[in-house]
Amino acid sequence: DGGITQSPKYLFRKEGQNVTLSCEQNLNHDAMYWYRQDPGQGLRLIYYSQIVNDFQKGDIAEGYSVSREKKESFPLTVTSAQKNPTAFYLCASSISWIAPNEQYFGPGTRLTVT
Amino acid sequence: ILNVEQSPQSLHVQEGDSTNFTCSFPSSNFYALHWYRWETAKSPEALFVMTLNGDEKKKGRISATLNTKEGYSYLYIKGSQPEDSATYLCAFKDDYKLSFGAGTTVTVRA
Repeated sequence: DGGITQSPKYLFRKEGQNVTLSCEQNLNHDAMYWYRQDPGQGLRLIYYSQIVNDFQKGDIAEGYSVSREKKESFPLTVTSAQKNPTAFYLCASSISWIAPNEQYFGPGTRLTVT
Repeated sequence: ILNVEQSPQSLHVQEGDSTNFTCSFPSSNFYALHWYRWETAKSPEALFVMTLNGDEKKKGRISATLNTKEGYSYLYIKGSQPEDSATYLCAFKDDYKLSFGAGTTVTVRA
């Protein structure tokens, strides 16, 4: 089955610790994305990658970092610099960045930092 | 961050009734308008990607229209069923990225 996997589903961390969220896709998509959802708000773009070994900041990149060393994988690190990291994080992919293709989403990771 | 507004925020519908709701977006620099359905405990799933002014798309009992000149799209559900209960997200694509609205949550009562 083709799709996007995110792990873990729930993640708990202490304030001041970095944490890495996993995102893997087997759809052979070039573009991948990380979004954050907070209650009552739309999904907000954290980082995106148009192609392997490339990534760009989205609207709310401060306190986050990513890598794209393999086409299938786009991990997101939430650093201790992120002021309000508790949120629901969604990873997505699409065939390409340019074309108006639909995005495919993973099941999400709910991060709680205390 | 671009302003994509969805209304209403939530609505309750009786099974068998039809309903519709709105997405408004910037009328400039339009590239595409996406609709996604997000059921509880599942991943958002694409319903439609619309690119042309006047576009109408249909998938079963769900359809959507697009007006890029005035910056709005309607999503219609005909003869609502309990399985239509979900949050419906619209997203506006310019030449940079997708900007999402906060969603309309539809609850269909049997």
